[in-house]
Amino acid sequence: DGGITQSPKYLFRKEGQNVTLSCEQNLNHDAMYWYRQDPGQGLRLIYYSQIVNDFQKGDIAEGYSVSREKKESFPLTVTSAQKNPTAFYLCASSSSGLAGGYEQFFGPGTRLTVL
Amino acid sequence: AQRVTQPEKLLSVFKGAPVELKCNYSYSGSPELFWYVQYSRQRLQLLLRHISRESIKGFTADLNKGETSFHLKKPFAQEEDSAMYYCALKLGGYSTLTFGKGTMLLVSP
Repeated sequence: DGGITQSPKYLFRKEGQNVTLSCEQNLNHDAMYWYRQDPGQGLRLIYYSQIVNDFQKGDIAEGYSVSREKKESFPLTVTSAQKNPTAFYLCASSSSGLAGGYEQFFGPGTRLTVL
Repeated sequence: AQRVTQPEKLLSVFKGAPVELKCNYSYSGSPELFWYVQYSRQRLQLLLRHISRESIKGFTADLNKGETSFHLKKPFAQEEDSAMYYCALKLGGYSTLTFGKGTMLLVSP
Protein backbone atom coordinates (compact mmCIF):
# COMPACT_ATOMS: atom_id res chain seq x y z
CA ASP A 1 0.00 0.00 0.00
CA GLY A 2 1.77 3.13 -1.19
CA GLY A 3 1.53 6.44 0.47
CA ILE A 4 2.61 8.58 3.37
CA THR A 5 1.92 7.59 6.96
CA GLN A 6 2.11 9.46 10.24
CA SER A 7 2.08 8.09 13.74
CA PRO A 8 0.65 8.31 16.23
CA LYS A 9 -2.74 9.74 15.29
CA TYR A 10 -3.15 11.35 18.72
CA LEU A 11 -0.37 12.29 21.11
CA PHE A 12 -0.47 13.74 24.57
CA ARG A 13 2.52 15.34 26.22
CA LYS A 14 3.24 16.97 29.52
CA GLU A 15 4.76 20.41 29.57
CA GLY A 16 8.54 20.33 29.50
CA GLN A 17 8.78 17.07 27.59
CA ASN A 18 10.12 16.56 24.10
CA VAL A 19 8.07 14.41 21.75
CA THR A 20 8.81 12.95 18.31
CA LEU A 21 6.27 12.61 15.52
CA SER A 22 6.85 9.98 12.88
CA CYS A 23 6.47 10.43 9.12
CA GLU A 24 7.21 7.69 6.60
CA GLN A 25 6.67 7.53 2.83
CA ASN A 26 7.14 4.79 0.27
CA LEU A 27 6.51 6.98 -2.77
CA ASN A 28 10.24 7.31 -3.49
CA HIS A 29 9.91 11.07 -3.08
CA ASP A 30 13.02 13.18 -2.58
CA ALA A 31 11.36 16.07 -0.76
CA MET A 32 9.50 15.96 2.55
CA TYR A 33 7.80 18.67 4.59
CA TRP A 34 6.30 19.35 8.01
CA TYR A 35 3.41 21.75 8.48
CA ARG A 36 1.45 22.93 11.42
CA GLN A 37 -2.29 23.46 10.93
CA ASP A 38 -4.14 25.70 13.37
CA PRO A 39 -7.75 26.93 13.04
CA GLY A 40 -7.83 30.17 11.10
CA GLN A 41 -4.09 30.00 10.37
CA GLY A 42 -3.95 27.66 7.43
CA LEU A 43 -0.81 25.57 6.96
CA ARG A 44 2.49 26.95 8.13
CA LEU A 45 5.77 25.35 7.11
CA ILE A 46 7.98 24.15 9.97
CA TYR A 47 10.85 22.34 8.22
CA TYR A 48 11.50 20.79 4.85
CA SER A 49 14.05 18.49 3.30
CA GLN A 50 14.83 18.23 -0.39
CA ILE A 51 17.33 15.40 -0.08
CA VAL A 52 18.65 12.92 2.46
CA ASN A 53 20.92 14.40 5.14
CA ASP A 54 19.82 17.92 4.34
CA PHE A 55 16.96 20.08 5.64
CA GLN A 56 15.99 23.74 5.92
CA LYS A 57 13.95 25.81 8.33
CA GLY A 58 10.52 26.91 7.30
CA ASP A 59 8.55 29.88 8.56
CA ILE A 60 8.02 28.66 12.13
CA ALA A 61 10.98 26.40 12.96
CA GLU A 62 11.64 27.70 16.49
CA GLY A 63 11.11 24.97 19.08
CA TYR A 64 11.22 22.16 16.52
CA SER A 65 13.94 19.90 15.15
CA VAL A 66 14.11 17.31 12.38
CA SER A 67 16.40 14.71 10.88
CA ARG A 68 16.56 13.10 7.44
CA GLU A 69 18.78 10.05 7.71
CA LYS A 70 16.73 7.99 5.28
CA LYS A 71 14.84 8.95 2.16
CA GLU A 72 11.67 7.37 3.51
CA SER A 73 11.64 8.99 6.94
CA PHE A 74 11.42 12.58 8.23
CA PRO A 75 10.68 12.64 11.98
CA LEU A 76 9.78 15.88 13.73
CA THR A 77 10.70 16.55 17.35
CA VAL A 78 8.64 19.09 19.25
CA THR A 79 10.88 20.36 22.01
CA SER A 80 10.04 21.95 25.32
CA ALA A 81 11.16 25.25 23.80
CA GLN A 82 8.06 25.36 21.59
CA LYS A 83 5.78 27.74 23.45
CA ASN A 84 2.46 26.66 21.96
CA PRO A 85 2.84 23.09 20.71
CA THR A 86 -0.78 21.99 20.84
CA ALA A 87 -1.76 21.69 17.17
CA PHE A 88 -2.44 19.40 14.24
CA TYR A 89 0.76 18.42 12.43
CA LEU A 90 0.85 17.41 8.79
CA CYS A 91 3.67 15.72 6.92
CA ALA A 92 3.92 15.84 3.13
CA SER A 93 6.20 14.64 0.38
CA SER A 94 6.80 15.46 -3.26
CA SER A 95 8.89 14.12 -6.09
CA SER A 96 10.93 17.26 -6.60
CA GLY A 97 10.90 20.93 -5.78
CA LEU A 98 11.97 21.72 -9.31
CA ALA A 99 9.37 19.99 -11.43
CA GLY A 100 6.75 22.29 -12.83
CA GLY A 101 3.29 21.71 -11.50
CA TYR A 102 4.53 19.35 -8.81
CA GLU A 103 2.14 17.95 -6.24
CA GLN A 104 2.59 17.49 -2.51
CA PHE A 105 1.06 14.36 -1.00
CA PHE A 106 -0.10 14.65 2.59
CA GLY A 107 -0.27 12.25 5.48
CA PRO A 108 -3.30 11.85 7.76
CA GLY A 109 -1.82 14.07 10.46
CA THR A 110 -0.97 13.84 14.15
CA ARG A 111 -2.91 15.81 16.74
CA LEU A 112 -0.61 16.82 19.58
CA THR A 113 -2.04 18.01 22.87
CA VAL A 114 0.10 19.40 25.64
CA LEU A 115 -1.39 18.86 29.07
CA ALA B 1 7.94 37.81 0.77
CA GLN B 2 5.19 36.14 -1.16
CA ARG B 3 1.75 35.99 0.39
CA VAL B 4 -1.55 34.23 -0.36
CA THR B 5 -4.80 35.79 0.80
CA GLN B 6 -8.14 34.04 1.04
CA PRO B 7 -10.49 36.75 2.29
CA GLU B 8 -13.38 34.51 3.30
CA LYS B 9 -13.10 32.14 6.24
CA LEU B 10 -16.51 30.67 5.51
CA LEU B 11 -18.64 30.56 2.39
CA SER B 12 -22.14 29.14 2.68
CA VAL B 13 -24.30 28.46 -0.39
CA PHE B 14 -27.29 26.37 -1.37
CA LYS B 15 -27.05 23.34 -3.60
CA GLY B 16 -27.14 24.35 -7.25
CA ALA B 17 -25.87 27.87 -6.63
CA PRO B 18 -22.66 29.14 -8.23
CA VAL B 19 -19.55 29.17 -6.09
CA GLU B 20 -16.47 31.37 -6.19
CA LEU B 21 -13.71 30.99 -3.63
CA LYS B 22 -11.37 33.93 -3.81
CA CYS B 23 -7.58 33.78 -3.78
CA ASN B 24 -5.19 36.69 -4.24
CA TYR B 25 -1.44 36.53 -4.13
CA SER B 26 1.40 38.97 -3.82
CA TYR B 27 4.41 38.15 -5.97
CA SER B 28 5.87 40.09 -8.83
CA GLY B 29 7.18 37.13 -10.79
CA SER B 30 5.48 34.13 -12.43
CA PRO B 31 4.27 31.81 -9.72
CA GLU B 32 2.60 28.44 -9.91
CA LEU B 33 -0.81 28.40 -8.26
CA PHE B 34 -2.69 25.46 -6.78
CA TRP B 35 -5.93 24.68 -5.00
CA TYR B 36 -5.87 21.98 -2.31
CA VAL B 37 -8.99 20.55 -0.67
CA GLN B 38 -9.60 18.79 2.63
CA TYR B 39 -12.87 16.90 2.93
CA SER B 40 -14.11 15.88 6.38
CA ARG B 41 -12.00 13.05 7.82
CA GLN B 42 -9.86 12.90 4.69
CA ARG B 43 -6.34 13.98 3.86
CA LEU B 44 -5.47 17.27 2.29
CA GLN B 45 -5.19 16.66 -1.45
CA LEU B 46 -4.51 18.55 -4.63
CA LEU B 47 -7.64 19.72 -6.45
CA LEU B 48 -6.13 21.52 -9.40
CA ARG B 49 -3.14 23.50 -10.62
CA HIS B 50 -3.16 26.46 -12.95
CA ILE B 51 -0.70 25.08 -15.48
CA SER B 52 -2.98 22.13 -16.20
CA ARG B 53 -5.90 24.37 -17.14
CA GLU B 54 -8.24 21.49 -16.37
CA SER B 55 -11.61 21.12 -14.68
CA ILE B 56 -11.73 18.82 -11.67
CA LYS B 57 -15.08 17.85 -10.13
CA GLY B 58 -16.58 20.77 -12.06
CA PHE B 59 -14.17 23.29 -10.54
CA THR B 60 -12.04 25.63 -12.62
CA ALA B 61 -9.56 28.34 -11.74
CA ASP B 62 -7.95 30.90 -14.00
CA LEU B 63 -4.75 32.69 -13.17
CA ASN B 64 -5.19 36.44 -13.64
CA LYS B 65 -1.73 37.98 -13.44
CA GLY B 66 -3.08 41.51 -13.80
CA GLU B 67 -5.26 41.14 -10.74
CA THR B 68 -2.90 38.62 -9.09
CA SER B 69 -5.82 36.32 -8.47
CA PHE B 70 -6.59 32.61 -8.82
CA HIS B 71 -10.24 32.30 -7.88
CA LEU B 72 -11.85 28.85 -7.76
CA LYS B 73 -15.23 28.58 -9.45
CA LYS B 74 -17.99 26.07 -9.92
CA PRO B 75 -21.28 26.89 -11.68
CA PHE B 76 -23.51 24.56 -9.64
CA ALA B 77 -22.42 23.59 -6.12
CA GLN B 78 -23.10 20.11 -4.77
CA GLU B 79 -23.39 19.02 -1.13
CA GLU B 80 -20.29 16.84 -1.52
CA ASP B 81 -18.28 19.98 -2.32
CA SER B 82 -18.45 20.97 1.35
CA ALA B 83 -14.84 21.05 2.51
CA MET B 84 -11.92 23.25 3.46
CA TYR B 85 -10.19 24.79 0.46
CA TYR B 86 -6.65 26.14 0.46
CA CYS B 87 -5.01 28.23 -2.22
CA ALA B 88 -1.25 27.76 -2.51
CA LEU B 89 1.58 29.44 -4.37
CA LYS B 90 4.93 28.06 -5.48
CA LEU B 91 7.76 30.16 -6.81
CA GLY B 92 10.07 28.92 -9.52
CA GLY B 93 13.00 26.59 -9.03
CA TYR B 94 13.51 24.82 -5.73
CA SER B 95 10.83 26.36 -3.58
CA THR B 96 8.12 25.34 -1.17
CA LEU B 97 4.40 26.04 -1.13
CA THR B 98 2.94 29.07 0.60
CA PHE B 99 -0.64 28.40 1.69
CA GLY B 100 -3.51 30.77 2.34
CA LYS B 101 -5.49 30.48 5.57
CA GLY B 102 -8.25 28.53 3.87
CA THR B 103 -11.95 28.93 3.15
CA MET B 104 -14.57 26.55 4.51
CA LEU B 105 -17.26 25.90 1.90
CA LEU B 106 -20.62 24.70 3.19
CA VAL B 107 -23.22 23.61 0.65
CA SER B 108 -26.70 23.23 2.08
CA PRO B 109 -29.50 21.15 0.53
